[in-house]
Amino acid sequence: RKEVEQDPGPFNVPEGATVAFNCTYSNSASQSFFWYRQDCRKEPKLLMSVYSSGNEDGRFTAQLNRASQYISLLIRDSKLSDSATYLCGSGYSTLTFGKGTMLLVSP
Amino acid sequence: GAGVSQSPRYKVAKRGQDVALRCDPISGHVSLFWYQQALGQGPEFLTYFQNEAQLDKSGLPSDRFFAERPEGSVSTLKIQRTQQEDSAVYLCASSFRDNYNEQFFGPGTRLTVL
Repeated sequence: RKEVEQDPGPFNVPEGATVAFNCTYSNSASQSFFWYRQDCRKEPKLLMSVYSSGNEDGRFTAQLNRASQYISLLIRDSKLSDSATYLCGSGYSTLTFGKGTMLLVSP
Repeated sequence: GAGVSQSPRYKVAKRGQDVALRCDPISGHVSLFWYQQALGQGPEFLTYFQNEAQLDKSGLPSDRFFAERPEGSVSTLKIQRTQQEDSAVYLCASSFRDNYNEQFFGPGTRLTVL
């Protein structure tokens, strides 16, 4: 079983929709959790860190559920520019990434 | 300030050649990470430095892979006797203090082994 698992998608949503991704991790010792965004043929860019209390940045909300060992990302009011692959990363001493979830936002 | 830079951006090597990939982290960042990303996959951890010390190299796939960061700044990932399965994007990331901090990625080096 891979340490970090994500639904690869693609998630096809219209502009303005709300979409949520989950990511499960198997290492219960993980202390750090992040969401990254990766555009085609580009490097991953940090979207947000994920804290135990949950955190929000504009249209983006991240949650951590330690008991069930998953993190989530909610995107409200989707924009065309949100189309990308979303990677979750978790770890203790180093980060392990999932394969990513592809999001396609259409007009 | 400047982000993480990597060179070369693209490298084509013949099978059996040695290659060296360079990473310049963000100035002042203590930690540096190397990842390998194959098409359709997430970044896979290779190795991690804190200053000049290589604290974890558990992800290096074989003894053909070697990384160094002699002065605690620039790092080089060397691959000896390249194989076709080494073809991937090699990403470097740095973080301010330790491995718990956010990591910032460079643009990567796309290696193609023919």
